[in-house]
Amino acid sequence: AQSVTQLGSHVSVSEGALVLLRCNYSSSVPPYLFWYVQYPNQGLQLLLKYTSAATLVKGINGFEAEFKKSETSFHLTKPSAHMSDAAEYFCAVTGTGGGATNKLIFGTGTLLAVQP
Amino acid sequence: ETGVTQSPTHLIKTRGQQVTLRCSSQSGHNTVSWYQQALGQGPQFIFQYYREEENGRGNFPPRFSGLQFPNYSSELNVNALELDDSALYLCASSTGQGAISTNEKLFFGSGTQLSVL
Repeated sequence: AQSVTQLGSHVSVSEGALVLLRCNYSSSVPPYLFWYVQYPNQGLQLLLKYTSAATLVKGINGFEAEFKKSETSFHLTKPSAHMSDAAEYFCAVTGTGGGATNKLIFGTGTLLAVQP
Repeated sequence: ETGVTQSPTHLIKTRGQQVTLRCSSQSGHNTVSWYQQALGQGPQFIFQYYREEENGRGNFPPRFSGLQFPNYSSELNVNALELDDSALYLCASSTGQGAISTNEKLFFGSGTQLSVL
């Protein structure tokens, strides 16, 4: 069964510092992978997605992620953190096989704090 | 702005009661999915509806049921509420036919926060 593991439930960085949020996936077949952001009292917003095209995926707000099959990873990065990046970030993978492809399987989330 | 509206935003119920949560999607969004997000957890898939038919279900008991209407609105009904049903319930819609594809994007609502006392 597909799953994702997000390492670090809380990450704190200084404004202007590199943001690195980790995600490892478990899947027997090449998956679709996603990063979503959730601001307080809001729903989920798609940052970027990997769908077996380019392994380096660029998303909104300066975020990007690299699919590494050998490491089963899809880490999210941003070169320079802004205060507005403070939010919770979720990595997700699609299910595979039959009706499983119509759902997203989410990790437990990483809460990003940005210090001034 | 995702074009997906959920109501109510907050709700308090007592154990054993029934609840109906509502979602209104954009025109043309034939697929709607519901997710449960417990405190400190990622969202979990409850079920999906495509053109008013259930099109996949997660590991949730039958007391979780849904309806989808031709006007792109949908409902999540939960009977015999339990304390563990306390969570944020998210609705997500798309123009696809169910399976998450390369070009498909899910639009999430802001959720309904349900508290069961």
